[in-house]
Amino acid sequence: DIQMTQSPSSISVSLGDRFTITCRASQDIGNYLSWYQQKPEKSPKLMIYRATNLEDGVPSRFSGSRSGSDYSLTINSLESEDTGIYFCLQHKQYPFTFGSGTKLEIK
Amino acid sequence: EVQLQESGPGLVKPSQSLSLTCSVTGYSITSNYWGWIRKFPGNKMEWMGYISYSGSTSYNPSLKSRISITRDTSKNQFFLQLNSVTTEDTATYYCARWAYGYKGFDYWGQGVMVTVSS
Repeated sequence: DIQMTQSPSSISVSLGDRFTITCRASQDIGNYLSWYQQKPEKSPKLMIYRATNLEDGVPSRFSGSRSGSDYSLTINSLESEDTGIYFCLQHKQYPFTFGSGTKLEIK
Repeated sequence: EVQLQESGPGLVKPSQSLSLTCSVTGYSITSNYWGWIRKFPGNKMEWMGYISYSGSTSYNPSLKSRISITRDTSKNQFFLQLNSVTTEDTATYYCARWAYGYKGFDYWGQGVMVTVSS
């Protein structure tokens, strides 16, 4: 199985700050990676697809990028509504595998 | 609007079978792929498998022969059955739609918490 190593596991960030989450793939996954946000008691929400594409309705302060086997989700100018757990999903190869999640809190 | 809703028992005894239903409204399950994903305590997520628009299936090998995903197109529902459950199957179970274009899971149910305990 492809391992997705996600970091950090949790972080507290100030409003207005920039923040980046990274997933590193253990094998080549091309751009077959998506990012999700999950708020407490809510279902996950697709934020970024195919590594760099913003899902419809997602604020433009969110962006995705790739550098080799490292995939990043960046939030520019953090807002209070951005708290939650973020995780990546690779869908290059079965079984699909998730990152371990990053819990984002506001400082 | 596409909506998915999981239903099923919240408590299952060890060695028994877990059975869940995903009811879909606003979109036909004879299009796209439809998956089951679970989230364990501690936030680890696992893709369990999917059923396609044609009824073909693919499962996570980690679940070996314990899993079955089926559907009823007349009711626009698909189902998860997981046999011989243990306490390690305690999780929140989600159904979700796989979007065209390899985008990811674009619609999710609210999730149902299932506890395996005697």
